[in-house]
Amino acid sequence: ETGVTQTPRHLVMGMTNKKSLKCEQHLGHNAMYWYKQSAKKPLELMFVYNFKEQTENNSVPSRFSPECPNSSHLFLHLHTLQPEDSALYLCASSQDSTGDRGYGYTFGSGTRLTVV
Amino acid sequence: KQEVTQIPAALSVPEGENLVLNCSFTDSAIYNLQWFRQDPGKGLTSLLLIQSSQREQTSGRLNASLDKSSGRSTLYIAASQPGDSATYLCAVRNTGANSKLTFGKGITLSVRP
Repeated sequence: ETGVTQTPRHLVMGMTNKKSLKCEQHLGHNAMYWYKQSAKKPLELMFVYNFKEQTENNSVPSRFSPECPNSSHLFLHLHTLQPEDSALYLCASSQDSTGDRGYGYTFGSGTRLTVV
Repeated sequence: KQEVTQIPAALSVPEGENLVLNCSFTDSAIYNLQWFRQDPGKGLTSLLLIQSSQREQTSGRLNASLDKSSGRSTLYIAASQPGDSATYLCAVRNTGANSKLTFGKGITLSVRP
């Protein structure tokens, strides 16, 4: 375990379903991130939260809705997804996104999402 | 816009060989560079983090170097083992407010017994 925990590890959902991905870290980090990893493509940043505030939405469709109730927890709510949304969704955290940039990122193990 | 390139996309070597994985980036205004390992279907494990002021970092059989001015980093793996088989990703963190990581596509390494 890296200190960033993601649940569930695998998720299969229909296009009309609503589901949520959860990410939790107890590293004392203040920034949390959602990334999408599709086959043969670089990791794509989706959302950035710094001290619970969303600081970046990388033109993500509204069918993906993030929520950050506190600095330790991050959710990604999913609804009416498309098959092309099937991917590995990775959560990461860092000290913060605007302060000392000398620290690296810690990633979770990811949620493998399949939309059918 | 920062771009990170890792070539080749895949590499196969016999066990015991010393090898070098390359990473290049277009914008030298970075805070740091991080090498990650990813096993199939799994998340990313941080291997080494090099600050922009540093030239190299070492951890066990791994050594990462950084030449910021030329936009290059290398990950050196000594005495490779089958357990080193994985995808290795390079990522840079740019300067500026709300800076974020830019990833390469990774190099998939296979170490043959």
